[in-house]
Amino acid sequence: AQSVTQPDIHITVSEGASLELRCNYSYGATPYLFWYVQSPGQGLQLLLKYFSGDTLVQGIKGFEAEFKRSQSSFNLRKPSVHWSDAAEYFCAVGLYGGSQGNLIFGKGTKLSVKP
Amino acid sequence: KAGVTQTPRYLIKTRGQQVTLSCSPISGHRSVSWYQQTPGQGLQFLFEYFSETQRNKGNFPGRFSGRQFSNSRSEMNVSTLELGDSALYLCASSWDRGLDEQYFGPGTRLTVT
Repeated sequence: AQSVTQPDIHITVSEGASLELRCNYSYGATPYLFWYVQSPGQGLQLLLKYFSGDTLVQGIKGFEAEFKRSQSSFNLRKPSVHWSDAAEYFCAVGLYGGSQGNLIFGKGTKLSVKP
Repeated sequence: KAGVTQTPRYLIKTRGQQVTLSCSPISGHRSVSWYQQTPGQGLQFLFEYFSETQRNKGNFPGRFSGRQFSNSRSEMNVSTLELGDSALYLCASSWDRGLDEQYFGPGTRLTVT
C-alpha cells in the first residue's frame, strides 16, 4: 500500500536558521506530492505541490521542496526560519480513487522556533 | 473569494448520540472530501463527494455517512457516537475530482464524553 513517512516528529530550530523537513513516500508510479502546513486550531494550507517537470518546486512563504526519485523523497526546505513558521507540517502523496482517498498524509512534523 | 467554512467549529456530544457536521466549499468547487484527524492515527480519509454522489470512501464503519447537496455543500453524520470518534473533522474542497488542489476548512472539533 502507498504510504508517506515523516521521520521527525518534532524539530526545534532557532529563528533565522535554515530548515529541512524530511518526507519519504512509497508509491509505485510517479507520485503527485504535496506539503501542507497546519497552525494550531486551523485547517491545512497548501505550501507547494509537485506534479511533474522541474524537481525543485517553489512554494509560498519562502518554502521550497525537491523531488528525488532515486531516494523516494520530497524534502521541504527554507533558508531562514521565522517565528511565525512554528506549526505542524504534513507531506502527502496524491492518488486518484482508492479507499485511502486522493491524499495520503504522513504523520506530520511539528516545528518549534526558538527566539 | 470566501474559503471553505465548517460549522459548528466545536461540539461536545455524549456516547450513543449522533452528530451532523456541515461544510460549505469554495464557490464553484464541486468536489468535497472529509478527513478525520486524531493524534494517534493522524489524517485519515473518510469520503469524497462530487456532483452529489459519493465517489470514494475510506475504511470507516457504516456509522459514518455523508451527503452532498446540489449547491455542493456537504454534511457528514456520525451515529451512535463512541469515545474514539473524538477528533478534528476536516473538510476540503476542490474544483474537480482527482488530484486537483484541495483547500481545507478550519475543521470541527468533536469531543465525545
